[in-house]
Amino acid sequence: AQTVTQSQPEMSVQEAETVTLSCTYDTSESDYYLFWYKQPPSRQMILVIRQEAYKQQNATENRFSVNFQKAAKSFSLKISDSQLGDAAMYFCAYRSAMGGGATNKLIFGTGTLLAVQP
Amino acid sequence: KAGVTQTPRYLIKTRGQQVTLSCSPISGHRSVSWYQQTPGQGLQFLFEYFSETQRNKGNFPGRFSGRQFSNSRSEMNVSTLELGDSALYLCASSPYAGYTEAFFGQGTRLTVV
Repeated sequence: AQTVTQSQPEMSVQEAETVTLSCTYDTSESDYYLFWYKQPPSRQMILVIRQEAYKQQNATENRFSVNFQKAAKSFSLKISDSQLGDAAMYFCAYRSAMGGGATNKLIFGTGTLLAVQP
Repeated sequence: KAGVTQTPRYLIKTRGQQVTLSCSPISGHRSVSWYQQTPGQGLQFLFEYFSETQRNKGNFPGRFSGRQFSNSRSEMNVSTLELGDSALYLCASSPYAGYTEAFFGQGTRLTVV
């Protein structure tokens, strides 16, 4: 079975600074997707960034980028120029792409609560 | 385009009762998944439906059931409620199974007293 581990329950960053959230996962599958989701106090999960396992290039979305280390099964999220609106719970998630990838089942980590200090 | 709509937003039930939660996916989306979020267990997958068929089921007791209608709307039902069922229940939709992104609703907060 696949597992996702986030070892940092809470993190804090100063506004305009950079912070990195850690995530490791365990799987025996070769084809999968990894995601970072943000959950603000409104509770709605919002996709931050996505990485396909077959892609060697790290994904980037504006101020958000990942460091994907497939051999080490590590998938960290870097937030640059942190803003007050970035304060939220961040979840790392895994989704299998085996068997044609015909599933939307996500396996989540326990989350990291990010505080942004003005 | 309207997002994923979950109703009701908040619910208080008594132990032993049953409850039905509703999820209306984004128009055109045919895949719906459900998750339970609790402080102790985190986010856990409940079920996944596509075109009215359950494709995947998480490790939950038989008290938890779901279904999907021909218009892709989905309901989940919990019978004989226990205190431990208190949670935020999240629904996510996608155009089809295996799509690259799941779009989440704001959830239904269920409190069992």
